[in-house]
Amino acid sequence: AQRVTQPEKLLSVFKGAPVELKCNYSYSGSPELFWYVQYSRQRLQLLLRHISRESIKGFTADLNKGETSFHLKKPFAQEEDSAMYYCALSEGNKLVFGAGTILRVKS
Amino acid sequence: DVKVTQSSRYLVKRTGEKVFLECVQDMDHENMFWYRQDPGLGLRLIYFSYDVKMKEKGDIPEGYSVSREKKERFSLILESASTNQTSMYLCASSWGLAGGTDTQYFGPGTRLTVL
Repeated sequence: AQRVTQPEKLLSVFKGAPVELKCNYSYSGSPELFWYVQYSRQRLQLLLRHISRESIKGFTADLNKGETSFHLKKPFAQEEDSAMYYCALSEGNKLVFGAGTILRVKS
Repeated sequence: DVKVTQSSRYLVKRTGEKVFLECVQDMDHENMFWYRQDPGLGLRLIYFSYDVKMKEKGDIPEGYSVSREKKERFSLILESASTNQTSMYLCASSWGLAGGTDTQYFGPGTRLTVL
């Protein structure tokens, strides 16, 4: 079965510091991976997907098939980045989500 | 702009009650999903539907059933609510993209408390 592991429940950084939210997956095949984000009092929404290879709100994520990872990175954290972040792996039309990481950006 | 709405933001029910959670989407999406969201466990798929009257079990279907009589509406039913079903319930929808996974659009969630 496909699994998604986010090893950190909480990541706390200072404003302006680099951020890396870790995501590892297990999948036999060509994976399709996503990051979803939930800001306080807002609904869960797509942040980015690996096939589009774009940067959203300064975040990027590179699929590393050798390390089976899809870490989310941002060079300089901002207070508005504070949120819950979920990594997800596609399984047909379904998604398998990780447990999530809370990112807190302190001023 | 895709809109996914859920019938209630907060719901309090008693053990043994039958509970209905309703979800409506306005984008003619083929796929609809019900998840529960629990701290430390992430989102877990309860049921999903890829067409009217079609449904498939997700990872944690026990104690739940679903109904999809119309394309835009997907209902989650707790036949006899129990305290371990206290949770945040999220509905989502997506296009039916053949051979791939499309973006899922989520509703605001229903926080259900079973006493």
